[in-house]
Amino acid sequence: NAGVMQNPRHLVRRRGQEARLRCSPVKGHSHVYWYRQLPEEGLKFMVYLQKENIIDESGMPKERFSAEFPKEGPSILRIQQVVRGDSAAYFCASSRPDQNEKLFFGSGTQLSVL
Amino acid sequence: SQQGEEDPQALSIQEGENATMNCSYKTSINNLQWYRQNSGRGLVHLILIRSNEREKHSGRLRVTLDTSKKSSSLLITASRAADTASYFCATVRSSNTGKLIFGQGTTLQVKP
Repeated sequence: NAGVMQNPRHLVRRRGQEARLRCSPVKGHSHVYWYRQLPEEGLKFMVYLQKENIIDESGMPKERFSAEFPKEGPSILRIQQVVRGDSAAYFCASSRPDQNEKLFFGSGTQLSVL
Repeated sequence: SQQGEEDPQALSIQEGENATMNCSYKTSINNLQWYRQNSGRGLVHLILIRSNEREKHSGRLRVTLDTSKKSSSLLITASRAADTASYFCATVRSSNTGKLIFGQGTTLQVKP
């Protein structure tokens, strides 16, 4: 079974551009989480989604950030009008509905904003 | 400040020695988990201990949980160079959720 697949692995954007990060969960997993990691820090929760629903977005910045997990296709984390402070590693994790506590993480997308 | 704070921040030991990392947290929890992160990679789940458990073992890993002190420790016995990584504790406040609150992590270096 393939694990959580994230792409791209590295993404470079200039200030003001849009960044789209994709995450395909483990097959059979219907819960997706996005976390952000700044250098030398632990991961910080951003958003929790189930298919077509945002369950908890308490960690998402109020502006410029959005996430979706459509019925078909990968989950997308979208950052509009990126700023240098958005530079970080963004990790996606997925879980089974009956084992929601155990997360499987992808290898992350390293976003660099020039 | 951040729930789940580890100490030490960095630990360097020789292969074969034991490594102990500690984690403290602030609020009540449903469970506490430990993850490993190799440089530039995603996290790998190591072990989960529930709030009603005091100790758990998995291979060379031993985790303890003291809910009265709001602390946990991860012991890696007979360390290997391949254990070199960052280790994070993460707490979960409610059951049936993957919303984890991570600490800052302990960077472990195991010298061959």
